Amino acid sequence: AQSVTQPDIHITVSEGASLELRCNYSYGATPYLFWYVQSPGQGLQLLLKYFSGDTLVQGIKGFEAEFKRSQSSFNLRKPSVHWSDAAEYFCAVGVNSGGYQKVTFGIGTKLQVIP
Amino acid sequence: GAVVSQHPSWVICKSGTSVKIECRSLDFQATTMFWYRQFPKQSLMLMATSNEGSKATYEQGVEKDKFLINHASLTLSTLTVTSAHPEDSSFYICSAREFSASGYTFGSGTRLTVV
Repeated sequence: AQSVTQPDIHITVSEGASLELRCNYSYGATPYLFWYVQSPGQGLQLLLKYFSGDTLVQGIKGFEAEFKRSQSSFNLRKPSVHWSDAAEYFCAVGVNSGGYQKVTFGIGTKLQVIP
Repeated sequence: GAVVSQHPSWVICKSGTSVKIECRSLDFQATTMFWYRQFPKQSLMLMATSNEGSKATYEQGVEKDKFLINHASLTLSTLTVTSAHPEDSSFYICSAREFSASGYTFGSGTRLTVV
């Protein structure tokens, strides 16, 4: 079965600083990979996804992620963080199961942005 | 883009009563919808897969008689928490995927508090 590890539960960065959120997955083949963001009390918004092709994926709000097969990683990055980026970020893995994708989420990384 | 509407956003109910949560795909048809549960400071856990016109598929450990799922049309799935207890208090989120899309769209979630 697939699994997702987000080793950092909580990260604090200064506004304007760069950001990298780590994600490692475990699966026998290359899965579908996602990053979602969740603001307090809200649902999830898709930031970006990787299915195949270029391993550097651009997403919304200035985020990007790089798929590294050798490291089983899909880290999320942003060159300059804004205060509005404070939220919880979930890495997710999707695998095909019974005609649909079954998505497994990591535990999430809570991002705090300080002035 | 694809929009998933979830209702209600907040609900408080008395212990022993039942609560129904609706998940609608507003501008697309979804033969499959997913229901997740999120405990505080934890990740999203898939509860069940809702299939239009057939029985839902429940994940291991999820009581199907307690969490009733009905997917009567291509745009509506409902989750009914029966005989709710305080331990059922949680954040419930649904998701669906438009056929031509490559990612999942999530509802805004429902905060259930059982008193």
